[in-house]
Amino acid sequence: EVQLVESGGGLIQPGGSLRLSCAASEFTVRNNYMSWVRQAPGKGLQWVAFIYSGGATYYADSVKGRFTISRDFSMNTVFLQMNSLRADDTAVYFCAGPIEDSPPTFGALGYWGQGTLVTVSS
Amino acid sequence: SSELTQDPAVSVALGQTVRITCQGDSLRSYYASWFQQKPGQAPVLVFYGMNNRPSGIPDRFSGSNSGNTASLTVTGAQAEDEADYYCHSRASSGDHYVFGTGTKVTVL
Repeated sequence: EVQLVESGGGLIQPGGSLRLSCAASEFTVRNNYMSWVRQAPGKGLQWVAFIYSGGATYYADSVKGRFTISRDFSMNTVFLQMNSLRADDTAVYFCAGPIEDSPPTFGALGYWGQGTLVTVSS
Repeated sequence: SSELTQDPAVSVALGQTVRITCQGDSLRSYYASWFQQKPGQAPVLVFYGMNNRPSGIPDRFSGSNSGNTASLTVTGAQAEDEADYYCHSRASSGDHYVFGTGTKVTVL
């Protein structure tokens, strides 16, 4: 059974940094694209970042230059480094990967973690 | 524009049919995927591509696409279908993705 498990969330002051991790099992990070998606309290889903299997990365305008998505194949883990955090970055952060045999253009995120809460507040 | 617009809320009588729509320029180029989210839970993929339903998703969920509009139809809605539904698509620029604004479905 595929599992994605996020960790690293918590309470952080504005301007601070956090690194989120998404550990995958029964799912090979090397062979798949991965996304980070967030959801502010009581709000809708917001796409945050994406990394292709080949390594290319893309970011939402609201996080570009502050967040970095990366991966470690030996750990089968995807990361989201978040710098210069702001109050409006407060959200539950989900990592998600594609359902089998679906191209990136479909955005068919069939596997999701349980989410990790990031709270940016002084 | 990279926005995907959905009606904020719809209601459906138990056993009846409800259609949820998603509008945006990117849908002229890319298929939508659809997610169901219940309170406190991660989203669940319920439909994607031209005509694909993940394993385990009931066949009462179906999708369609026309021009700049994607639709998710639930035929014979059940109480457990009450949830928030989001469409999701690659943006027209090709280097972003976007979620729809979300539709809250209430089963009466």
